[in-house]
Amino acid sequence: DGGITQSPKYLFRKEGQNVTLSCEQNLNHDAMYWYRQDPGQGLRLIYYSQIVNDFQKGDIAEGYSVSREKKESFPLTVTSAQKNPTAFYLCASTGYYNSPLHFGNGTRLTVT
Amino acid sequence: GDSVTQMEGPVTLSEEAFLTINCTYTATGYPSLFWYVQYPGEGLQLLLKATKADDKGSNKGFEATYRKETTSFHLEKGSVQVSDSAVYFCALTLSGGSYIPTFGRGTSLIVHP
Repeated sequence: DGGITQSPKYLFRKEGQNVTLSCEQNLNHDAMYWYRQDPGQGLRLIYYSQIVNDFQKGDIAEGYSVSREKKESFPLTVTSAQKNPTAFYLCASTGYYNSPLHFGNGTRLTVT
Repeated sequence: GDSVTQMEGPVTLSEEAFLTINCTYTATGYPSLFWYVQYPGEGLQLLLKATKADDKGSNKGFEATYRKETTSFHLEKGSVQVSDSAVYFCALTLSGGSYIPTFGRGTSLIVHP
């Protein structure tokens, strides 16, 4: 079955370390997204990509970086510059305008 | 800009009660409207959608009607179950626009036996 896979489900890092979250999709979707979700808060857009080798900043891009070298993959790096990185991170994709997003099951990152 | 406003939660109900979660929107064009559901520890899943005025989306006993005159897309279910406990997100996308959907802040539903 097609879908989006995020790995790992739980990730622990020490402060000051960069960490990369994986997102892979086999839906042949052009557009991919990264969202951050904090307890009791909605979704905040970090980065999005509408096509391979191109991506744009979302509302809270500071301290994060992404790449889109392949259509299937959109990894997110949380850098040491991100002041409060502990959160639940969601990856999503969609194939065309007005179609719903497909979400992965998230990665919960804890930085201590 | 475009926006989606949902009623604040948590909404707490007893099993078999009637559910309404309000959602209103503002948009510059003619949006498609969605409800997503998020169970604890998981990602969001599409629950239902409507792409034009007066359309009714339905799935798993949930319904929502696209009301252009009131710019609303309220989610309803006639008889909730404990397993419906989750966070519900209303969202819109605009035709001909970017691929970026606009989400509401989510409404938590807690159903007690």
